[in-house]
Amino acid sequence: EDQVTQSPEALRLQEGESSSLNCSYTVSGLRGLFWYRQDPGKGPEFLFTLYSAGEEKEKERLKATLTKKESFLHITAPKPEDSATYLCAVRSNSGGYQKVTFGIGTKLQVIP
Amino acid sequence: DTEVTQTPKHLVMGMTNKKSLKCEQHMGHRAMYWYKQKAKKPPELMFVYSYEKLSINESVPSRFSPECPNSSLLNLHLHALQPEDSALYLCASSPPENTEAFFGQGTRLTVV
Repeated sequence: EDQVTQSPEALRLQEGESSSLNCSYTVSGLRGLFWYRQDPGKGPEFLFTLYSAGEEKEKERLKATLTKKESFLHITAPKPEDSATYLCAVRSNSGGYQKVTFGIGTKLQVIP
Repeated sequence: DTEVTQTPKHLVMGMTNKKSLKCEQHMGHRAMYWYKQKAKKPPELMFVYSYEKLSINESVPSRFSPECPNSSLLNLHLHALQPEDSALYLCASSPPENTEAFFGQGTRLTVV
């Protein structure tokens, strides 16, 4: 069974304090790893797709990287508006079709 | 434009009511999805439509009935729901079935 584990579950940072969120996965045949941002009571907002080990994507203060077992979302000099839950999801071949499995998320709070 | 529109934003219904959730996208995406999300949990896949045909049903109870009238619209018909069905219902779409999905803002459903 596919598994996606995100850590930490919650993270509190001072504004400007850089850090990384982790997403480790065990899947049968990775077909893509996705990062989303979700604000309370809203739908997830797509951030990045990574397909192969060594791939990196950047957007403003966020940078996502991928290895064969995990992905990191690096946040550089975060601002209070970066506060949200960050979800990792993987697409894999499972049970004869491509399935998406989400992690539980990391709730990030950035304090001014 | 990466917009998926869901209506209504909030819905309160009794256990004997029949209601429908609606989802619309005009990005030309050919895959559309329904997810259910409970508080502090990741989204759980319910249904996938690919080219207007139901391709995945994740063993969802029959009190939830999806419908895809055309390539831009997706409905979720609700009947005889239970209080434990209260959740945020998310619609998403993606270009082909196996790429990143873009989510709507969700319908907050409360069953009383």
